[in-house]
Amino acid sequence: QQQVKQSPQSLIVQKGGISIINCAYENTAFDYFPWYQQFPGKGPALLIAIRPDVSEKKEGRFTISFNKSAKQFSLHIMDSQPGDSATYFCAASPDLGNEKLTFGTGTRLTIIP
Amino acid sequence: DSGVTQTPKHLITATGQRVTLRCSPRSGDLSVYWYQQSLDQGLQFLIQYYNGEERAKGNILERFSAQQFPDLHSELNLSSLELGDSALYFCASSVGPLGAGNYNEQFFGPGTRLTVL
Repeated sequence: QQQVKQSPQSLIVQKGGISIINCAYENTAFDYFPWYQQFPGKGPALLIAIRPDVSEKKEGRFTISFNKSAKQFSLHIMDSQPGDSATYFCAASPDLGNEKLTFGTGTRLTIIP
Repeated sequence: DSGVTQTPKHLITATGQRVTLRCSPRSGDLSVYWYQQSLDQGLQFLIQYYNGEERAKGNILERFSAQQFPDLHSELNLSSLELGDSALYFCASSVGPLGAGNYNEQFFGPGTRLTVL
């Protein structure tokens, strides 16, 4: 059972544009929502994370928007650059004192000049 | 470089065989997590150890087992291998569980690519 649904599967954005990746979850016990960035041949690396007590978190060009009632959250990459080309995973973790992550299926982002 | 090391980088073996994947966490991290990444299943959590003890279990098959040693390195043992076990296996580490409502970052290693022929 997939508990975190991610879309789109792939995304092509022009340099300087805004990249938007969406995720939806089902489990209301989820309490921590990180986004991971993965380059080819590397392991995932934490990009930005949010808790459901805030609706938005911004770090540089990266913003997470969170809608608790809709059980949806999204990653926005402003002024997208070729170096942002990677696979992005949303994830969620329950508030059980452990850190088991459930990942979305990933979005392959390509930024074209 | 995340500070998490995994060996070997690549592993090619045959169906029915047994392999061991090794992970060394970042210095000071007490928790180790194992994940499987495949094309059809995505990134799946397998198991977590904290300071030598199993702490959480995910979609880990009975043919798979793991342990964390006193020096905190961890090994993932995969036995009776099947073609479908071909995947990237990632180890991640973190300082450790901070209790309900608190989270800390998981740092992922570079992965071991397992190919079962």
